[in-house]
Amino acid sequence: DGGITQSPKYLFRKEGQNVTLSCEQNLNHDAMYWYRQDPGQGLRLIYYSQIVNDFQKGDIAEGYSVSREKKESFPLTVTSAQKNPTAFYLCASSTVTASDTEAFFGQGTRLTVV
Amino acid sequence: GQQVMQIPQYQHVQEGEDFTTYCNSSTTLSNIQWYKQRPGGHPVFLIQLVKSGEVKKQKRLTFQFGEAKKNSSLHITATQTTDVGTYFCAGPVSARQLTFGSGTQLTVLP
Repeated sequence: DGGITQSPKYLFRKEGQNVTLSCEQNLNHDAMYWYRQDPGQGLRLIYYSQIVNDFQKGDIAEGYSVSREKKESFPLTVTSAQKNPTAFYLCASSTVTASDTEAFFGQGTRLTVV
Repeated sequence: GQQVMQIPQYQHVQEGEDFTTYCNSSTTLSNIQWYKQRPGGHPVFLIQLVKSGEVKKQKRLTFQFGEAKKNSSLHITATQTTDVGTYFCAGPVSARQLTFGSGTQLTVLP
């Protein structure tokens, strides 16, 4: 089945620790995105990538890092520098750009800092 | 920067009543997309509008794109409990990223 897979679904982290969220897609999409969702708010863009080995900061990139070594994979690292990391993280992919075609979302990872 | 605003934030309706959510952009949009997120789920694409004044229908859902391409609406006729969820509009900030509205959370009371 084609799709976009995020893992894990739930993640608990101690303060001061880095944690990496996985995102894999087999849709052959060039573009991939990471969004953060907080209760009562929309989706805020963290990072996006249009092509392998290239990525751009979104609106709230501070405290996060990404890599795009393979077309299929776009992992997100939440670093200890992120002051309020507890949130729902959504990965998405699309052909060309999300401005012209629909974005396909993964199931999300719910991160809780304890 | 460009903003996409959406109202209302919450809407409770009785099953069978109609529902409308409105989306406004601070700048002209080349297109607008609508997504639905069920409780505990992820956003799922519903539709994309491109033309000025465009109206599209999907069964009980009617989507409109304003003449100036700065606003849009989603109207649901005779809501059902399956319509429960958060509806987001999204517009392109640039050729590379979508800006999402804050969403309208719809509750349908049986």
